[in-house]
Amino acid sequence: GENVEQHPSTLSVQEGDSAVIKCTYSDSASNYFPWYKQELGKRPQLIIDIRSNVGEKKDQRIAVTLNKTAKHFSLHITETQPEDSAVYFCAGANTGNQFYFGTGTSLTVIP
Amino acid sequence: DAGVTQSPTHLIKTRGQQVTLRCSPISGHKSVSWYQQVLGQGPQFIFQYYEKEERGRGNFPDRFSARQFPNYSSELNVNALLLGDSALYLCASSLDLGYEQYFGPGTRLTVT
Repeated sequence: GENVEQHPSTLSVQEGDSAVIKCTYSDSASNYFPWYKQELGKRPQLIIDIRSNVGEKKDQRIAVTLNKTAKHFSLHITETQPEDSAVYFCAGANTGNQFYFGTGTSLTVIP
Repeated sequence: DAGVTQSPTHLIKTRGQQVTLRCSPISGHKSVSWYQQVLGQGPQFIFQYYEKEERGRGNFPDRFSARQFPNYSSELNVNALLLGDSALYLCASSLDLGYEQYFGPGTRLTVT
């Protein structure tokens, strides 16, 4: 099956700075890459996703880039705010829609 | 419109017992997936069901089983519980295969 690796495991940034989280995947058949935000004690929430026919997608302060050749994708958060503090998970999925998650990045935004 | 719901919220079981967890998908969603999330790790794929058929299974032992009902709700069963089965069990639903998955709040299972 798919293997998704995620880095870094922890990330601290000053409020207003940018944060970047990177993921690599192994299965070339994977074609859908969602990102989830999970606050302590809560369910994972979908924040942005990208499909393999697109190289970049933006939604306000959040963007995701995908490099299919290198099999990696990244989450970019600009102008970070304290409420962005959470654990972020990337995932890869094939046409069967079976998600394989990374190990998570704990983001702390320091006011 | 209600989101994905799961029951129970919390559960404490003893080693060797059996447990059944329940999930109701978002109305209109036909696919349900189950995940196990151990503290500090990402969700691990257990099962995927679509139109009442099993469409995928992760690397979990046969003690884990699931089913999907005609109303698209789903149950996850775990037999012969081990201490290592203690985790948050998440259910996610999607409109169809290849669509976004939305998670329920999870069931926190503790095995003593």
